[in-house]
Amino acid sequence: QSVLTQPPSVSAAPGQKVTISCSGSSSNIGDNYVSWYQQLPGTAPKLLIYDNNKRPSGIPDRFSGSKSGTSATLGITGLQTGDEADYYCGTWDTSLSAGVFGGGTKLTVL
Amino acid sequence: QVQLVESGGGVVQPGRSLRLSCAASGFTFTSYVMHWVRQAPGKGLEWVAVVYNAGNYKYYADSVKGRFTISRDNSENTLYLQMSSLRAEDTAVYYCARDRKIGYGPFDYWGQGTLVTVSS
Repeated sequence: QSVLTQPPSVSAAPGQKVTISCSGSSSNIGDNYVSWYQQLPGTAPKLLIYDNNKRPSGIPDRFSGSKSGTSATLGITGLQTGDEADYYCGTWDTSLSAGVFGGGTKLTVL
Repeated sequence: QVQLVESGGGVVQPGRSLRLSCAASGFTFTSYVMHWVRQAPGKGLEWVAVVYNAGNYKYYADSVKGRFTISRDNSENTLYLQMSSLRAEDTAVYYCARDRKIGYGPFDYWGQGTLVTVSS
């Protein structure tokens, strides 16, 4: 069981929008920044969003992040078949003194 | 360009030891905190350990505490993970990752990973 909770899967049609939720607690999401990672099949994870809502250079603005209290959300608009991947939220847990991830969400673009 | 290249994975028997390495290039290694993250086959990401710039501060996941040791050689731009008393549940792809900030993440660059299989 992961410290952060994500839905196992989400799906939407090409061109549509999807959101992925990440729920935690006061010692992790509530106390630290959230980041999001995209993992395409057979590859290493890639940073998509950091500091709750910032995008590294090269990440299109179709990807967005937000945080409220002990929950965070990743949004993806204008879905493309190339967006099919596993998405993970991550943060630091102040009480555990450890990094924590969500269990991952598999995005299917129908 | 930033590169992280892991090595040292393989098949090892339960109870034995293994040392992973991560060679870093393309950035000033001493300026960055470094992490190990693992992923069991078909499973999600699991944070393993972090070591701060000078190698003096280290933190571990409860699942590996007392068995794994993270270290770094700043003169060789290399990160290590010494794994001992290995268990079947340690079977995973191990990634090294660079911390973008001060040790709490995010992880802005990842290696390609090295597979560790613990099996008799």
